This record gives sequence, structure tokens and C-alpha cells, in this order.
Amino acid sequence: EDQVTQSPEALRLQEGESSSLNCSYTVSGLRGLFWYRQDPGKGPEFLFTLYSAGEEKEKERLKATLTKKESFLHITAPKPEDSATYLCAVPLGGATNKLIFGTGTLLAVQP
Amino acid sequence: DAGVIQSPRHEVTEMGQEVTLRCKPISGHNSLFWYRQTMMRGLELLIYFNNNVPIDDSGMPEDRFSAKMPNASFSTLKIQPSEPRDSAVYFCASSLNFAGGPDTQYFGPGTRLTVL
Repeated sequence: EDQVTQSPEALRLQEGESSSLNCSYTVSGLRGLFWYRQDPGKGPEFLFTLYSAGEEKEKERLKATLTKKESFLHITAPKPEDSATYLCAVPLGGATNKLIFGTGTLLAVQP
Repeated sequence: DAGVIQSPRHEVTEMGQEVTLRCKPISGHNSLFWYRQTMMRGLELLIYFNNNVPIDDSGMPEDRFSAKMPNASFSTLKIQPSEPRDSAVYFCASSLNFAGGPDTQYFGPGTRLTVL
């Protein structure tokens, strides 16, 4: 069964304390993996797309990496404004545009 | 550029009433998605359209839910009759579909629905 699992469910960091969020998936024929950020009361905001194992992408304090079975979102020296829920999603196998979303990691960065 | 526009942003209704949620996708996008988000089940795809045609509605919970896309710039999600368990945040997303995909989906701000 196609599945996306994110861990941890919640993470509390001190400002400047680097860490990583995990997204593991079981989808046949991975065609890409998406990371989104969601702030309370808002829709998910697109961050990155990764297409193949070994690929990395960076944006400010965030770096996303991809292996054959999982993706990591590394947060370097986080600031309170990085607090949000981070969601990952993968397309179902085949030609469909359907995405399966993980349940997210709620990140809180304390000053 | 305007992003995905949804209305209303909040809707409170009583059980048994009809609810209509509206979405305007990003101009030029040809795929549109309706999602529902709850604490228990997370973000679930209800239905998606490609070039105004419904492609997959397997996520629509039951016959009380229906969706239409009469043109490239407008879609509705209707619940009739509404029930308390339909309370959730409903998101619309759109993407530009290239052959082979996958496409990046851009989300609207959502409609928070409360059914009393």
C-alpha cells in the first residue's frame, strides 16, 4: 500500500539548534517528492520538489535531501519564524496527479 | 499574481443545510484539486479535475458531496445535506499539468467549515 510517514510528529527546538525532519515513503516508481510548509490558518506553501535519489535543494535555512526510501528536511540554525507544520507528499504510482500527504511534523522554535 | 482564491473563508451552518465552497485556480493552470484536512486524517484528496474534466473522485466520501468545474477559472464543492462530521478545512489547489508530471500544486487559503 502506498504510504507516507513523517517523524517526529512534533519537534521543539531552541533558536539556533539544528535538526532534521524525516519523511519515509512506500510508493512504487517514485516520480518525485514534495515538501510544503503550513502555517496555522493557512494553506500549505510549496517549498521543494526532489525527483531522484541523491538530489538536494536548499532555501535559506532549509535543505531537503532524498534517498530511495526517505527524505530529510534539514533545518540549520532555525529561527522562531521557521515554526510551522512541515508536510511531505509523493505522487501515487502511475500517471496520476494524485498526491499522498504525510501527517506532518509540527515544528516549534523557541527564542 | 493572485494565487488560488477560495470563498468563503469561514462557513458555519446547521446540520442538513446545503453548503457550497468556491475556488478560483491560478490563471493558466489546468488541473484543480479539492482536499479536506482534519486533525484525525490529515490532508485527503477528494477529487481532481484536468482541463475541467473530473479525473478521479474516489476520495469523495459519499453521494452528499459533489464537485463541478464549469470553466477553467471556477470550481465548486457542494455538500448536501451537511453533517457535523463534515466539519473540516477544505482546500483547493491548482497546478499546470505537463505530460509526465508530477506537477507542483499550489494551495488556496482554505475554507473552515463548521456544521452544528
